[in-house]
Amino acid sequence: GAGVSQTPSNKVTEKGKYVELRCDPISGHTALYWYRQSLGQGPEFLIYFQGTGAADDSGLPNDRFFAVRPEGSVSTLKIQRTERGDSAVYLCASSLRGSATDTQYFGPGTRLTVL
Amino acid sequence: GDSVTQMEGPVTLSEEAFLTINCTYTATGYPSLFWYVQYPGEGLQLLLKATKADDKGSNKGFEATYRKETTSFHLEKGSVQVSDSAVYFCALSDLDNQAGTALIFGKGTTLSVSS
Repeated sequence: GAGVSQTPSNKVTEKGKYVELRCDPISGHTALYWYRQSLGQGPEFLIYFQGTGAADDSGLPNDRFFAVRPEGSVSTLKIQRTERGDSAVYLCASSLRGSATDTQYFGPGTRLTVL
Repeated sequence: GDSVTQMEGPVTLSEEAFLTINCTYTATGYPSLFWYVQYPGEGLQLLLKATKADDKGSNKGFEATYRKETTSFHLEKGSVQVSDSAVYFCALSDLDNQAGTALIFGKGTTLSVSS
């Protein structure tokens, strides 16, 4: 079946602009996660959805970042007033139930470059 | 908070050599442990996992045993191939951690295998 998909694959924007990154999880997966991966580092957690609600947003770095999942499927990560330090690969993952033992399946990521 | 420490790379081996990548963790609760792999140009994918002490995860000739007494989950393979060249990430998921079931990753270890 289809895996996790993310669009766009690459996004180049200018400092101060607004961007939206989209994630389409595996069908039937209730849990959805956003991570950010900087060069040479492991992915870092941003936010976790269980269904339509944000169950944990403790990883969001500041209030310029927020994410939605209005129908419990597709999610959008939104970044306002982008800064050069936001440049990274943004990864989305989904899992069946969101338990600690579940496997998380990752999308290919969106590479964001802020000029 | 919870954390994962894995050996720094790059690790450079000849084909058929034995591989060990060390991984240790600190956790508030009783975590599940994972190894993810990122092949060149591809997304993160699960290699193996273990959800309780003394469990051994295995896949594609790779193995790792969950050692609670030493808080370790070292990755091993008896005979590496050129196709194993990739970045390997150790990760944990801990319900008692602030971020709940989100994965906490190590920094990654780059493996390069030559023929």
